Amino acid sequence: DAGVIQSPRHEVTEMGQEVTLRCKPISGHDYLFWYRQTMMRGLELLIYFNNNVPIDDSGMPEDRFSAKMPNASFSTLKIQPSEPRDSAVYFCASGRGTDTQYFGPGTRLTVL
Amino acid sequence: GENVEQHPSTLSVQEGDSAVIKCTYSDSASNYFPWYKQELGKRPQLIIDIRSNVGEKKDQRIAVTLNKTAKHFSLHITETQPEDSAVYFCAASTGGGNNRLAFGKGNQVVVIP
Repeated sequence: DAGVIQSPRHEVTEMGQEVTLRCKPISGHDYLFWYRQTMMRGLELLIYFNNNVPIDDSGMPEDRFSAKMPNASFSTLKIQPSEPRDSAVYFCASGRGTDTQYFGPGTRLTVL
Repeated sequence: GENVEQHPSTLSVQEGDSAVIKCTYSDSASNYFPWYKQELGKRPQLIIDIRSNVGEKKDQRIAVTLNKTAKHFSLHITETQPEDSAVYFCAASTGGGNNRLAFGKGNQVVVIP
């Protein structure tokens, strides 16, 4: 069984550009989470979905960030416009019910 | 919301010795406590978890203990090896349909050969 898949693995962009991160959760998992990890802030929950519906987006830092989950097998996290302080590793994780969350390999974003 | 704290932030141990990391949580309704290991440049990976109806759980060289009264849980690694060097995150979840995990800041464990 494939784990959580994220793309791209690395993204380098210039300030002001739009960035789209993609995630495919583990089949059968009904929860999907987007996290951001930095040295300063550690692992932060940005937003999570249950059955494709956003449940809590209180961690989304600004209106520049948006996330969608159009179906059970795909989610996107978009940053528009991007800023240097958005540079971080973005993880997607999925889980079933109250079970463990499984993390994807992450996308390392660098905004110049 | 739930607040999880980890101590110490960095722990150095000699190879073969034991390492203990302690986490405290604030929400007495929390009932699920996983531990994740993150090696440099890699994803957090679950290494062990415990639910509130169990006081201790062991898997080979790692174990987790839970004290619900004091609201703390600990990760124990015995016979440490260089490959145990990593950042360890604890987390707590209130479950009940809310699968949100509150993570601690992480502990850097360094095993000295």
